[in-house]
Amino acid sequence: AQSVAQPEDQVNVAEGNPLTVKCTYSVSGNPYLFWYVQYPNRGLQFLLKYITGDNLVKGSYGFEAEFNKSQTSFHLKKPSALVSDSALYFCAVRDMTSGGYNKLIFGAGTRLAVHP
Amino acid sequence: GAVVSQHPSRVICKSGTSVKIECRSLDFQATTMFWYRQFPKQSLMLMATSNEGSKATYEQGVEKDKFLINHASLTLSTLTVTSAHPEDSSFYICSAPLSFGSGYTFGSGTRLTVV
Repeated sequence: AQSVAQPEDQVNVAEGNPLTVKCTYSVSGNPYLFWYVQYPNRGLQFLLKYITGDNLVKGSYGFEAEFNKSQTSFHLKKPSALVSDSALYFCAVRDMTSGGYNKLIFGAGTRLAVHP
Repeated sequence: GAVVSQHPSRVICKSGTSVKIECRSLDFQATTMFWYRQFPKQSLMLMATSNEGSKATYEQGVEKDKFLINHASLTLSTLTVTSAHPEDSSFYICSAPLSFGSGYTFGSGTRLTVV
């Protein structure tokens, strides 16, 4: 079965420090991976995606993620955290078993708290 | 960019009444719309997939008669929560896939509270 795991419920980091939000996946074939951010009572905002190409993907708001096929990971990173980065982060993988416009399978989410 | 407009953003209704949530694709045609439900501090759970002009596909455990989905045009998909009960209170989000490989766009969500 295809799945996404975010092993940390919450990540705490001091402002200005680097941050990492972990994600591992399990899919058959080549994965299409996504990171989204959600602020309270809002929809999801796209951060970045990996489809193919360079393993290091740069996205919105200074975020980046590294695709590691051998470790089946797609960790989200940012060199210097901001208090405004505090939000709920979701890793997702495209369900390739459905065909056509496949649905996204989401991880459980990781709450990022950046402290001043 | 491609935008899905979701309304209402918040709704409070009485038990036993029905509530309709609309998602409109503003600058593209959405042949498919995914409907998710999110409980507090939890992930998004796919409820159903709607396709323009055909019946929706519901995920296991989702009551088809309770959560009515209509996708009558390429720009509008609706979710109607019928005979709502307090346990239906949740955050509902729609999402449309973009052209293959481009990703997905999400509505801003609807906070439903049933009293």
